[in-house]
Amino acid sequence: DADVTQTPRNRITKTGKRIMLECSQTKGHDRMYWYRQDPGLGLRLIYYSFDVKDINKGEISDGYSVSRQAQAKFSLSLESAIPNQTALYFCATRPGLGREVSDTQYFGPGTRLTVL
Amino acid sequence: GNSVTQMEGPVTLSEEAFLTINCTYTATGYPSLFWYVQYPGEGLQLLLKATKADDKGSNKGFEATYRKETTSFHLEKGSVQVSDSAVYFCALRRSNDYKLSFGAGTTVTVRA
Repeated sequence: DADVTQTPRNRITKTGKRIMLECSQTKGHDRMYWYRQDPGLGLRLIYYSFDVKDINKGEISDGYSVSRQAQAKFSLSLESAIPNQTALYFCATRPGLGREVSDTQYFGPGTRLTVL
Repeated sequence: GNSVTQMEGPVTLSEEAFLTINCTYTATGYPSLFWYVQYPGEGLQLLLKATKADDKGSNKGFEATYRKETTSFHLEKGSVQVSDSAVYFCALRRSNDYKLSFGAGTTVTVRA
């Protein structure tokens, strides 16, 4: 089984709808991230969380919110989706505590979101 | 602020050709540098990294050397295979920062 999973993998929705993208990890990492990928722009950070009680905005948080329900779960919500939020969304994790501290981020497979 | 500039793609090569993807960066201090690879339909995965000047990262036949004098971290592979077809991202992280800054990505296609 994959260490970082994202659901759904693909979603088509309409302008104004509320959408939630979910991320789960079995790696036991404390740090989790949400990115969006757009052609020609690379990945941009939306939100990040260092633990359940520590959530922070990234570069492009407007129009998004997140919830860290448990160490293993980090959800991204679009309260009222708009077409320019059409993108590929990635969740990632990183170990930030103890012996496992590492620079390396581990990515999920991505969610392709289309807002019509 | 931090930024990463990669050569624009797409790049199309024949099998066994030499691959170079240029990456230069702008950052204060001594950032850690990374190459991530994204195979079709998958998430990004770390390919290699270097944490200080003159370090060489290597993995799967790919290499990149941290050059502080030219602020570069070019990716090279001497003989590519069809299975190397992917999107390659250069990234950096400052030592006191929480996040990665990514380049735009370079799409590489290797033809048999």
